[in-house]
Amino acid sequence: GAVVSQHPSWVICKSGTSVKIECRSLDFQATTMFWYRQFPKQSLMLMATSNEGSKATYEQGVEKDKFLINHASLTLSTLTVTSAHPEDSSFYICSAISTSGPYNEQFFGPGTRLTVL
Amino acid sequence: RKEVEQDPGPFNVPEGATVAFNCTYSNSASQSFFWYRQDCRKEPKLLMSVYSSGNEDGRFTAQLNRASQYISLLIRDSKLSDSATYLCVPYQGGKLIFGQGTELSVKP
Repeated sequence: GAVVSQHPSWVICKSGTSVKIECRSLDFQATTMFWYRQFPKQSLMLMATSNEGSKATYEQGVEKDKFLINHASLTLSTLTVTSAHPEDSSFYICSAISTSGPYNEQFFGPGTRLTVL
Repeated sequence: RKEVEQDPGPFNVPEGATVAFNCTYSNSASQSFFWYRQDCRKEPKLLMSVYSSGNEDGRFTAQLNRASQYISLLIRDSKLSDSATYLCVPYQGGKLIFGQGTELSVKP
């Protein structure tokens, strides 16, 4: 199947710093990527839909100025957590839609575990 | 009401057991349905799609009842490697809506 990578796989940062997470589709082009967040023992919550060449669409309750999304190419979307705080510590997962198969399957990246001290 | 509700779990079963997971969804406009499995601290992986007529893939059988807005997953002859969290995922409005999952632990 299609491959999606994320970098870094884990990051520890101090409160107040910004952290950038990259999501890449390695063997297909993705006009649409999604960013999710998952807290322990909870479901994946969609944060935003990232569209190549246009502004991201954020879900209700997600601060667009805090979680900056840039989808500058068909294979790369980035999520920047600005002024991170301990409550932002979570598992961040991206996914990308591949249109090459029989239906538009979403392929998930391996996730980035963020710990804010 | 939550958009997706799943059995709370965890399910602890011996190898070889048959286990069934239940899921209900609230939005009747949901277009497609999937079961994903998620291993601890990993990303979710697609297990199977769910079709109206029901579908089977080896030891796994998925069923959909649109009238009741109910989805199920049956695992026969459980293996140790089936231990994971199983996520019920309707697709609606261009988005996957994840349930909180049901944890399965298969013991020797």
